[in-house]
Amino acid sequence: AQSVTQPDIHITVSEGASLELRCNYSYGATPYLFWYVQSPGQGLQLLLKYFSGDTLVQGIKGFEAEFKRSQSSFNLRKPSVHWSDAAEYFCAVGAPLDTGFQKLVFGTGTRLLVSP
Amino acid sequence: ETGVTQTPRHLVMGMTNKKSLKCEQHLGHNAMYWYKQSAKKPLELMFVYNFKEQTENNSVPSRFSPECPNSSHLFLHLHTLQPEDSALYLCASSQGGGTGELFFGEGSRLTVL
Repeated sequence: AQSVTQPDIHITVSEGASLELRCNYSYGATPYLFWYVQSPGQGLQLLLKYFSGDTLVQGIKGFEAEFKRSQSSFNLRKPSVHWSDAAEYFCAVGAPLDTGFQKLVFGTGTRLLVSP
Repeated sequence: ETGVTQTPRHLVMGMTNKKSLKCEQHLGHNAMYWYKQSAKKPLELMFVYNFKEQTENNSVPSRFSPECPNSSHLFLHLHTLQPEDSALYLCASSQGGGTGELFFGEGSRLTVL
């Protein structure tokens, strides 16, 4: 079965510093991979997604992620963190349903704290 | 108007009450989902509806009863819930045949007393 591991529950980064959030997935075929962000009291917003092609994917708000098949990883990065980036980040893998639709299997999330 | 709208945003209910959560999507999608988000646990998929037909039920207790009258509306009927059912309930939609990207509502925060 598909699964996603986000090994870091909390990460604190100074404002202006770089960020990397880790994500490892388990899936037999070529995965569809996603990163979502959730601010307090809000739903999930898609940051970026990978389906095929270039393994370095650009997203919104200056985020990027790199798909590494050999490591089963899809880590999220940002070169300079802003205070408004403080939120919870979820990695997800798409899992096909019999109907041809997909469901998303999520990791447990990483809470990002930004210090001044 | 946001893509996926959920009401109410907050709900407090006793264990003997009956209430409903509502979700509406304005994106023209043909699949809708209910997820449960509890503290310190991954998002749990509860139900999936494709073209109004339920296609996935992840062993959800019968005290949760979904209803999808059309491709734009999804309900979650609640009755005789337990305190451990307190959570954020997220609705999402997607376009079938695509790459599975989900569009989420802001969630309904449920507290069961």
